[in-house]
Amino acid sequence: EAQVTQNPRYLITVTGKKLTVTCSQNMNHEYMSWYRQDPGLGLRQIYYSMNVEVTDKGDVPEGYKVSRKEKRNFPLILESPSPNQTSLYFCASSLSARDRDNQPQHFGDGTRLSIL
Amino acid sequence: AQKITQTQPGMFVQEKEAVTLDCTYDTSDPSYGLFWYKQPSSGEMIFLIYQGSYDQQNATEGRYSLNFQKARKSANLVISASQLGDSAMYFCAMWGSYQLTFGKGTKLSVIP
Repeated sequence: EAQVTQNPRYLITVTGKKLTVTCSQNMNHEYMSWYRQDPGLGLRQIYYSMNVEVTDKGDVPEGYKVSRKEKRNFPLILESPSPNQTSLYFCASSLSARDRDNQPQHFGDGTRLSIL
Repeated sequence: AQKITQTQPGMFVQEKEAVTLDCTYDTSDPSYGLFWYKQPSSGEMIFLIYQGSYDQQNATEGRYSLNFQKARKSANLVISASQLGDSAMYFCAMWGSYQLTFGKGTKLSVIP
């Protein structure tokens, strides 16, 4: 089954404790992306990756890191989490970012992060 | 810059009736893609339907259809024969600049 898998689904942690949210897709997609969803602000892109070892900032990259060492994985790293990073996070992937029109993005089920 | 506007924060529809969710967009790109996603209360983001800017026909996927009016820059979602399971948030989105730009969403409630 084609899917994007995020882990963990839920996490409560404390300020300053490094954490990683994993994202894996089994569709051989080149493009992967992270979004956060906040009430009143909607969904905003954090980082994206066009392919292995190619990453770039989205609209709200501060406080986050990513890496793309393998095509299937795109982890989101919070080196020193703060309460303002409490949010619902989504990983998404699509076949390619080259075709600007046809991008059915597949989303993971989301990760609810609470940082105290 | 791209912009998606959904003017209906909430909508109610009777079960088995059809409902239209509005979406207007703004972009300077000559080529673009438009999407609708459903987000139930459980939180996941479910892809519903896609429309390319050069597609001649309106997209359809089962009970979902997209009423695409390019000159008016609108891409409304039509859900036919509403079901209780259709109650959810619905987001219109546009692809461009290597990301999806989302509208604020419309909360649809289906009444038995």
